[in-house]
Amino acid sequence: GENVEQHPSTLSVQEGDSAVIKCTYSDSASNYFPWYKQELGKRPQLIIDIRSNVGEKKDQRIAVTLNKTAKHFSLHITETQPEDSAVYFCAATNQAGTALIFGKGTTLSVSS
Amino acid sequence: GAVVSQHPSWVICKSGTSVKIECRSLDFQATTMFWYRQFPKQSLMLMATSNEGSKATYEQGVEKDKFLINHASLTLSTLTVTSAHPEDSSFYICSAIPTSGTGETQYFGPGTRLLVL
Repeated sequence: GENVEQHPSTLSVQEGDSAVIKCTYSDSASNYFPWYKQELGKRPQLIIDIRSNVGEKKDQRIAVTLNKTAKHFSLHITETQPEDSAVYFCAATNQAGTALIFGKGTTLSVSS
Repeated sequence: GAVVSQHPSWVICKSGTSVKIECRSLDFQATTMFWYRQFPKQSLMLMATSNEGSKATYEQGVEKDKFLINHASLTLSTLTVTSAHPEDSSFYICSAIPTSGTGETQYFGPGTRLLVL
């Protein structure tokens, strides 16, 4: 089945710096790759997603890139702010193309 | 739009009892819902896919007789943890895909924290 690897597990940056989180997936049939932000004790919130027919997508300070050949995708956050501090999860669709398989998460800490 | 609720938000029960958790899509219909379990400081682990009007599809290693799923309507899926034990204590989160959407974007409920004593 699908396996999603996420790195790094923790990331500390200064306010204003950029943060990059990388994920790799195993199933070449996966075609949908969302990123979720989860604050402690709360539900995951979709922050951006990308489909396999697109190489890059941007929404204000957040961007995602996808390399289907290499089977990896990355989240880029620019001009980080303390409120960006949270756990970020990448995910990819499973073999059935419906459910999501999540990476292990990255704890991002932005210090002011 | 695309709001998913869960009830209860937290529950404490004695070992051996059963607990039912409800997942509702409030402003959309969802043919497909999912149940995840999340242990502290860990990722979301898919337990099962719940399809309205049919049997749920369970992931490998998840006991279908222990975690009963019923998706009786397009806005409600329930997860019943039967004969709960302390190792079942976890954060249970559901998600739903709007039937009228792209078919991929999942919206998550706020989660239910279960503590089995």
